Amino acid sequence: QSALTQPASVSGSPGQSITISCTGTSSDVGTYNYVSWYQQHPGKAPKLMIYDVSNRPSGVSNRFSGSKSGNTASLTISGLQAEDEADYYCTSYTSSSTLVFGGGTKLTVL
Amino acid sequence: EVQLVESGGGLVKPGGSLRLSCAASGFTLSRDTMHWVRQAPGKGLEWVSCISSSSSYIYYADSMKGRFTISRDNAKNSLYLQMNSLRAEDTAVYYCGGGNDYGDYVMGAWGQGTLVTVSS
Repeated sequence: QSALTQPASVSGSPGQSITISCTGTSSDVGTYNYVSWYQQHPGKAPKLMIYDVSNRPSGVSNRFSGSKSGNTASLTISGLQAEDEADYYCTSYTSSSTLVFGGGTKLTVL
Repeated sequence: EVQLVESGGGLVKPGGSLRLSCAASGFTLSRDTMHWVRQAPGKGLEWVSCISSSSSYIYYADSMKGRFTISRDNAKNSLYLQMNSLRAEDTAVYYCGGGNDYGDYVMGAWGQGTLVTVSS
């Protein structure tokens, strides 16, 4: 199972919005609405930010939103804040009943 | 508070074995599909394996099949990963994840990770 494709890095200024894409295939992202997004700060464990494409866990800011079109899922962060600077990973359920992660995207808040 | 705590990591020689454990507190692990995820130094997250609540369904990433075995003891609220025939490329921080009622394919809670180093 090949990793999902994410941009290596994105950046934005405080207050701006950014979008991170996550491209898979018809065997994962394109068929199943089981896409999740995780935030990871350096040296820390990942944290769930979005699940089932667009659902936000309790306690996660509504500045984080998710969507999907075809084989590509997206995470949008609006009103960027310094604390959003982290690595972000998408993951999807696959037709092999496994999970696959994206390569990760480093978000820099300028 | 939901908490997962991994243990069992350490230094092992190539070809050796190691058993990781993950203890849950603050929630009943027995209700949830649980996962192991690893992260090599400076690299991204890699899904390793999952096990359903009753152990009826178990899946592995291709590179771990035949070498790793996931299991759970719901009475002890614990998850395990037996790793055999370890290779240098298995060096990573291993996380257990799952729970919080977000579904089988979501890791709502994560442990702090345990480092496995495979080196002679």
